[in-house]
Amino acid sequence: QVQVQQWGAGLLKPSETLSLTCAVYGGSFSGYSWSWIRQPPGKELEWIGKINDSGSTKYNPSLKSRATISLDTPKIQISLRLTSVTAADTAVYYCATMPATSHLNSNPYMDFWAKGTTVTVSS
Amino acid sequence: QSVLTQPPSVSAAPGQKVTISCSGSNSNIGDNFVSWYQHLPQTAPKLLIYEKNKRPSGIPDRFSGSQSGTSATLGITGLQTGDDAHYYCATWDSTLSAVVFGGGTMLTVL
Repeated sequence: QVQVQQWGAGLLKPSETLSLTCAVYGGSFSGYSWSWIRQPPGKELEWIGKINDSGSTKYNPSLKSRATISLDTPKIQISLRLTSVTAADTAVYYCATMPATSHLNSNPYMDFWAKGTTVTVSS
Repeated sequence: QSVLTQPPSVSAAPGQKVTISCSGSNSNIGDNFVSWYQHLPQTAPKLLIYEKNKRPSGIPDRFSGSQSGTSATLGITGLQTGDDAHYYCATWDSTLSAVVFGGGTMLTVL
């Protein structure tokens, strides 16, 4: 059974860098991609970006180039860095897998999700 | 204001059927497939429907999806108390160049 686990710092000060890591276990991930998604308190889910198994990335333009997603292929670990955080970045952050049959700009879907990490930005 | 519009809440009795709508535009639902997710508090969101009406392994056929024009609908029959959750639709938006989600619908099984 596929499991997605994630970890990282949960409390940051404004201007610091958010750093989260996600690991996926229990399956074959050939052709897979991985996405990061977040949900601010009381708001809708927001897609941050994705990386495929060859390291190619695509980001939500709303984040204005503050986000970087990277992949450690041997470990199947995916990292998210978000620079210059503010209170608006306070959210629950999720890592999710996207199978080979999911095509970002026509048929995007995430088949396995982590439980999420609460990140709070406060001075 | 969400790009994809869902009703904030719906409710129905156990055993009944409910539908949850997701309304968008030509730049998102009108041109791409919709997926649906179930989210219970403190748990990982779960994929229910993808490619408009396909169900992943393990998702019962009580859950169904449909899509027409710029709208999509999630249907749930034989409601159970365990179906109490938030439900989200999602798709690609070609204007925003991003995956977009609906605002979510809270289902209450009375």
